[in-house]
Amino acid sequence: DQQVKQNSPSLSVQEGRISILNCDYTNSMFDYFLWYKKYPAEGPTFLISISSIKDKNEDGRFTVFLNKSAKHLSLHIVPSQPGDSAVYFCAASAHVYNSNSGYALNFGKGTSLLVTP
Amino acid sequence: DAEITQSPRHKITETGRQVTLACHQTWNHNNMFWYRQDLGHGLRLIHYSYGVHDTNKGEVSDGYSVSRSNTEDLPLTLESAASSQTSVYFCASSERAGEKLFFGSGTQLSVL
Repeated sequence: DQQVKQNSPSLSVQEGRISILNCDYTNSMFDYFLWYKKYPAEGPTFLISISSIKDKNEDGRFTVFLNKSAKHLSLHIVPSQPGDSAVYFCAASAHVYNSNSGYALNFGKGTSLLVTP
Repeated sequence: DAEITQSPRHKITETGRQVTLACHQTWNHNNMFWYRQDLGHGLRLIHYSYGVHDTNKGEVSDGYSVSRSNTEDLPLTLESAASSQTSVYFCASSERAGEKLFFGSGTQLSVL
């Protein structure tokens, strides 16, 4: 059963506008959340993370918001640039051992972002 | 610079053959993982290891095995390749369990 859900397979945004990528999770034990970016024919690369003790984390144009009560997080990219076009994966982990996955990251299915000029 | 490398980058094999995908990291991380990426499924965990001689099954481990004889390497073996195992395979490592992963560039495997 998918514990991390990205319900939008794709998103198209104009250059300069805000991109908002959403992610929901079901496991209340998750306490660390990450976003990865993936270009074709490359491995995923770490973008930004947030611990459950925070509700916001910023790094340049990227901001992640966490709403624990709603089990929801979002990634905001402002302003969006054509080079941001990629697949974005949301991931979550718990610092409590899981018999199925240990402490491994659980990933969503990804959202393909296209930023058009 | 430390890195994680996977080989081969591309592999074509026939059903029933045994195939081994290599993963080597120079981060000196104890934690290593194998994921597969498929359209509509995202990244799914195959096997993971938290140290030498430690191996564990992930959510899609059937038909795969791993061994960890040293810190640097975690080879993934497909015992008898099946067409359902056609996928892109990613190896990853992390310094601390449950935290940021560093991924390799992936192996595109086609089973015909």
